[in-house]
Order: sequence, then C-alpha cells, then structure tokens
Amino acid sequence: EVQLLESGGGLIQPGGSLRLSCAVSGFTFSTYAMSWVRQAPGKGLEWVSTSTGSNTYYADSVKGRFTISRDNSKNTLYLQMSSLRAEDTAIYYCAKNLDSIGSYDYWGQGTLVTVSS
Amino acid sequence: QSVLTQPPSASGTPGQRVTISCSGSSSNIGSNTVNWYQQLPGTAPKLLIYSNNQRPSGVPDRFSASKSGASASLAISGLQSEDEADYYCAARDDSLNGVVFGGGTKLTVL
Repeated sequence: EVQLLESGGGLIQPGGSLRLSCAVSGFTFSTYAMSWVRQAPGKGLEWVSTSTGSNTYYADSVKGRFTISRDNSKNTLYLQMSSLRAEDTAIYYCAKNLDSIGSYDYWGQGTLVTVSS
Repeated sequence: QSVLTQPPSASGTPGQRVTISCSGSSSNIGSNTVNWYQQLPGTAPKLLIYSNNQRPSGVPDRFSASKSGASASLAISGLQSEDEADYYCAARDDSLNGVVFGGGTKLTVL
C-alpha cells in the first residue's frame, strides 16, 4: 500500500524558515518524480515544486526561497522553506508523480504551515 | 487569477449528467495532457483522470474527460450525492516550466 506522510508544519513568523518532510512507503521512491502542491485556506491548488531526481522545478512564487530535495536512502522528500511570507500560509501536500511532471496519483494528507506574527 | 479557467460552480440532480470545462492556452492545454482531480471536503485531492481521458484503477466509468485544442472538459454521468466535491484541472505549462491548475469547480448535487 502506497503511503505518503508529511510532517514539519506549524506556526512560523514572517521571514522565518521551516523544513517539511514527506516519508513514503509502498513503492520504489528513487524511481519516481515527487512534488509539493499547496492549498491556501479556502483556495485552490497551487503547484510548488517537483523533483525528478536529476532535476528540480519551482513555481515562480517560491523560486529562490524554497528548495526541494530527497533522500532516496530514507525514502523521504523534503521542502526547505525560507523567507516565509503570509501568502505562503497553506496546507502543503506531498504527491507522487504518475509521469515526469503534471499528474499525481498518490497524495499525502497534508501539513499546515501558518506564517503569522 | 488561475492560468486555467474553470467555472466556480456547477450543479445537478442525482442521475443527471454534468460537465465542467477547463480553458487554457497553447502553452499548457494546447500542447500538454490534462489531468483532473477530485477533492472531497476536508480531504486530499484524488487523481480522477490523467493523460486527457484515462481513468486510474478504481475510478468509476461515470467519469470521463476530453480535450480539444486548448480546452478540456470533465463529464460526470449518473450523478450521485457522493460526487459533491471540488474538481480541478491541471496541465504542464511550457512557458512557466511548471504545472498550472484551474481555480476549481465546486459541484453541488441538488
């Protein structure tokens, strides 16, 4: 059974940093692209970043502030977030890519990040 | 303002057929495949359709989708109360070198 479990969310002040983790099981993590997708309260879905293993991609809204990485030995995906802004407040979902970029066949339950003073 | 345009709401009665549109441009839907997601209240999104019209295992054949040019649509036939959810379209955007989502359509089963 495929499982994705995010952690690391919480309340953080503007300008602060936070690292999200996504522990996965049930598939060969190293062979799949993985992504982060977020959803602000009451809003729609927004793609944040994708790691294909050899390449990384970022939304313009987070480029230069967020870094996606993965540890294939630990079956874990990370999202290092810095210079956080109020508009980064959202539920952050970890998702397994079905193909290299664009479709996600498994999602975690999400972790809430709240940026507020 | 989302790159892909969806109607904010749609509705139908049980048993009816409803469609949800998704309009994009040549850099996204016009040149890449479209995916659809269903998000039930308080839950994570679920992949409903991938590669324009393919259903993952377990998705009922009441759900179908198509694409023409820079637009796509999702159709739900035999509407059921459990279909009440938010629906999102998504596609790769070559200009942005990333993925874009529609703003979502809230489906109400009357």
